[in-house]
Amino acid sequence: DVKVTQSSRYLVKRTGEKVFLECVQDMDHENMFWYRQDPGLGLRLIYFSYDVKMKEKGDIPEGYSVSREKKERFSLILESASTNQTSMYLCATNDGASGRAEQFFGPGTRLTVL
Amino acid sequence: GENVEQHPSTLSVQEGDSAVIKCTYSDSASNYFPWYKQELGKGPQLIIDIRSNVGEKKDQRIAVTLNKTAKHFSLHITETQPEDSAVYFCAASIRTGTASKLTFGTGTRLQVTL
Repeated sequence: DVKVTQSSRYLVKRTGEKVFLECVQDMDHENMFWYRQDPGLGLRLIYFSYDVKMKEKGDIPEGYSVSREKKERFSLILESASTNQTSMYLCATNDGASGRAEQFFGPGTRLTVL
Repeated sequence: GENVEQHPSTLSVQEGDSAVIKCTYSDSASNYFPWYKQELGKGPQLIIDIRSNVGEKKDQRIAVTLNKTAKHFSLHITETQPEDSAVYFCAASIRTGTASKLTFGTGTRLQVTL
């Protein structure tokens, strides 16, 4: 089974802090994604990566950046956290090489920015 | 870009009844339509998917139908059970670059009552 782990289940930060959310997968998948989930808005794509050091903006990249230095790890960075970034953050992976489009999700990190 | 609308936002059914969730998409280039189930405290998990060259797909008590002309697809759950209670998301995919980017609907909270 694919395992996608996220560094924290719950995180509380203050406005202006730099925040790192880490995601690690153990299945050698090429593609990794970061979403945020908000009530009534579903899942919205922030950034994705299809290879080490490669990244593409999703639908709502403003205020975020990402880093993928190793294939198994994809980090989401909030350079200066703001209260409107309080949300559930979900990481997902996908085996691009197989041609399958299924995405496998981690359990999520609930971030609160005070 | 792609836009996916999902209805209803909440759905309550009695155990044993059927549940239907409907989604529409905007981009006729979309060719992959997965459904994800998210249980409390967990990340979404794929339950069934359909490609644009197929009109219907069934897996035990769940089925998905696709109408390409009308650009809508639906999830059908028969003989609902309490463990079906969860949030369900539809999605549509347009392949971009080397990664399939999913656009999600806003979710349906299904409550199965005894």
